[in-house]
Amino acid sequence: SQELEQSPQSLIVQEGKNLTINCTSSKTLYGLYWYKQKYGEGLIFLMMLQKGGEEKSHEKITAKLDEKKQQSSLHITASQPSHAGIYLCGADMEYGNKLVFGAGTILRVKS
Amino acid sequence: EADIYQTPRYLVIGTGKKITLECSQTMGHDKMYWYQQDPGMELHLIHYSYGVNSTEKGDLSSESTVSRIRTEHFPLTLESARPSHTSQYLCASSVTGPLLNTGELFFGEGSRLTVL
Repeated sequence: SQELEQSPQSLIVQEGKNLTINCTSSKTLYGLYWYKQKYGEGLIFLMMLQKGGEEKSHEKITAKLDEKKQQSSLHITASQPSHAGIYLCGADMEYGNKLVFGAGTILRVKS
Repeated sequence: EADIYQTPRYLVIGTGKKITLECSQTMGHDKMYWYQQDPGMELHLIHYSYGVNSTEKGDLSSESTVSRIRTEHFPLTLESARPSHTSQYLCASSVTGPLLNTGELFFGEGSRLTVL
């Protein structure tokens, strides 16, 4: 969706390295969501951010939402092969309406 | 694990056939969605529903239709399939979040449609 820009489009990292994926909108977001997808399967929910400046962590994955609620980053520390997949950000562009997604970032982790 | 199910998982059919993709959830979620995902992986919302007898078109124009007669069931129908309909179709459901946002979406495994 052009409403949400995700970068990079793809990423190859060496196991153990850190990485960051970004998600940007020109509009204020009412909710920002990160999902992970393995090829050909459904999406798995990772985290939801709602407040400006909010930060959440789960295991080695940390997501932040900036104060203006227009940009979010997903950071993976010490990447592992199990982190490989497609990461998508989704956002509520309006209250309680519908979720739109970014184009996704393909992550490959080399052993 | 999410209790949302899609059938069939894979379908190969000829042009002109009518098909229905089934989606059912047992979580009592009020909102349900259909997304279309092409090989380039971008997800596009094609239909959504806020509850029984409520259906809306999404951002991506689609020749498919949906119905929501029961809370748990949100089938998608193509009256006359064409090769351009070849894609993966993902169904999802959610409850309204605490700040009236979408909330966490629970996705089915997807239905991969190929029209010859």
